Amino acid sequence: DAGITQSPRHKVTETGTPVTLRCHQTENHRYMYWYRQDPGHGLRLIHYSYGVKDTDKGEVSDGYSVSRSKTEDFLLTLESATSSQTSVYFCAISDNNSPLHFGNGTRLTVT
Amino acid sequence: QKEVEQDPGPLSVPEGAIVSLNCTYSNSAFQYFMWYRQYSRKGPELLMYTYSSGNKEDGRFTAQVDKSSKYISLFIRDSQPSDSATYLCAMYSSASKIIFGSGTRLSIRP
Repeated sequence: DAGITQSPRHKVTETGTPVTLRCHQTENHRYMYWYRQDPGHGLRLIHYSYGVKDTDKGEVSDGYSVSRSKTEDFLLTLESATSSQTSVYFCAISDNNSPLHFGNGTRLTVT
Repeated sequence: QKEVEQDPGPLSVPEGAIVSLNCTYSNSAFQYFMWYRQYSRKGPELLMYTYSSGNKEDGRFTAQVDKSSKYISLFIRDSQPSDSATYLCAMYSSASKIIFGSGTRLSIRP
């Protein structure tokens, strides 16, 4: 898994509650990404980071925020979870001109 | 129209067959091309990575890129039941613009 750990692996939460997912890497890679994967939509980029405290939005960023205070950690926060955010969330890492490597995902259910 | 098109399948072939998986794309700026394999309830696993036209071989896998036609392929020789998975193509021009195909479900029949 290229030194990527996602936590938690599974989470069930109620609509309106805040949720934070964590991605931790041991590869010292510059870039970190959060994707969601849904049937019929494939992998869609939520946010990415190109360095400590440097982040930018992806194609489906509404309702999500991120933070990267250390090279190895990238947090994804759902401020107020909605049922449409039920999904599988993948973290990925890469370095300059290198391919992405993915973690094993977090399965989030919002009831 | 999507920037990357990939037939979702499912594709079912007998064990030992040669499998051909394909993606087409519209953005001529894409320079780097990848194929991932994803088993159920797992993250995508990198299979092949190339940044030029032509063929790249790794064991039973061959990746082919035709930039003039905007077409990439992944060939699997001597397919095995363990190759049953979803295969995703991906491509990018910069680290901030990585586009994935929707994936092709492949099943290898023993």
